[in-house]
Amino acid sequence: EAGVAQSPRYKIIEKRQSVAFWCNPISGHATLYWYQQILGQGPKLLIQFQNNGVVDDSQLPKDRFSAERLKGVDSTLKIQPAKLEDSAVYLCASSPGEARETQYFGPGTRLLVL
Amino acid sequence: GEDVEQSLFLSVREGDSSVINCTYTDSSSTYLYWYKQEPGAGLQLLTYIFSNMDMKQDQRLTVLLNKKDKHLSLRIADTQTGDSAIYFCAETGFQKLVFGTGTRLLVSP
Repeated sequence: EAGVAQSPRYKIIEKRQSVAFWCNPISGHATLYWYQQILGQGPKLLIQFQNNGVVDDSQLPKDRFSAERLKGVDSTLKIQPAKLEDSAVYLCASSPGEARETQYFGPGTRLLVL
Repeated sequence: GEDVEQSLFLSVREGDSSVINCTYTDSSSTYLYWYKQEPGAGLQLLTYIFSNMDMKQDQRLTVLLNKKDKHLSLRIADTQTGDSAIYFCAETGFQKLVFGTGTRLLVSP
């Protein structure tokens, strides 16, 4: 079974630029998560989708971050404009159905904002 | 609120046992997880324990849960150099996973 796919793996941008990340969850998984992992910290949930609906986006900085999951399959996370403090690894995870189930993580996208 | 705490660093010799500790705050957590993260990689699920269990063993891994003290531990028997990584515990807070800060395990030959 293929795992969670993410691209790109690495991205370097200058502050105030825009960037987008892509995630393809495990086939058939209804729930998709985006996490932000700052160096030296544990992952922090940014947004959770159930199919193509948002379940939780309480920790998403909505003035600059946006995410969508069209057709309930793959998802994109966008930052516009980026700030220095957005430098982090952005992890995508998926789980089969309800929240609290085991989540399976992708390799992450490492973002550096200069 | 939800808060998960771990010690930052653990160093052991190859062949010894490693014990990584975690404390959590949400007593309603249904599952508690241990994830492993190697450099440049995503999180790999190692094991989990259901909240009504005290102990779970899976090959070299033993998870102990003390619900009264909200304390979770992961014991790795016969630790190998390939076990060097960051280990995260996570609790299932309301509708979401809450991760600790991670414990960096260094295994020396």
